[in-house]
Amino acid sequence: DVKVTQSSRYLVKRTGEKVFLECVQDMDHENMFWYRQDPGLGLRLIYFSYDVKMKEKGDIPEGYSVSREKKERFSLILESASTNQTSMYLCASRKDGNSPLHFGNGTRLTVT
Amino acid sequence: QKEVEQNSGPLSVPEGAIASLNCTYSDRGSQSFFWYRQYSGKSPELIMFIYSNGDKEDGRFTAQLNKASQYVSLLIRDSQPSDSATYLCAVKLPNDYKLSFGAGTTVTVRA
Repeated sequence: DVKVTQSSRYLVKRTGEKVFLECVQDMDHENMFWYRQDPGLGLRLIYFSYDVKMKEKGDIPEGYSVSREKKERFSLILESASTNQTSMYLCASRKDGNSPLHFGNGTRLTVT
Repeated sequence: QKEVEQNSGPLSVPEGAIASLNCTYSDRGSQSFFWYRQYSGKSPELIMFIYSNGDKEDGRFTAQLNKASQYVSLLIRDSQPSDSATYLCAVKLPNDYKLSFGAGTTVTVRA
């Protein structure tokens, strides 16, 4: 079974803090993704990476950056957290372009 | 027009009945289609994927794809209370890395 592990289940941060969300997958998947999910807005893609050190902006990249130094790890960085970044953050990975996405358990981030 | 559209529901069905969920997509070149189940407060979980026209069955779940009409559906037979969740349809667009997700259909199975 594919395992996608997100480092924190719940996180509370202060406005202006730099926040790191970590995601690790154990199936040697090429592609990795960061989504956020908010009530009424559905799943929105923040960034994705199709290979090590490669990254592409998704639909809502503003205020975020990512890092993929190793194939199994994809990090999401909130440069200066703001209250409108309070959300459920979901990491996902897949083997290749037509394969299904496999999601991690999610990180519920609250910015106060 | 949204890329992927689903009826938001809620869809309420009695235990043991068939739940039928529909999803339409706008890009005729879409190649891969996925159904995810998401329980409240949890992350999406893959139920089925389908690539070719026709039906694909897995246990109590059947996915149906009709590319000519640009819809994909999910049938849940013998619905159980544990099937109560939001079901997300996702479509892989041509020449694009990302999946487009529908807003989800909330299903409630009444005991």
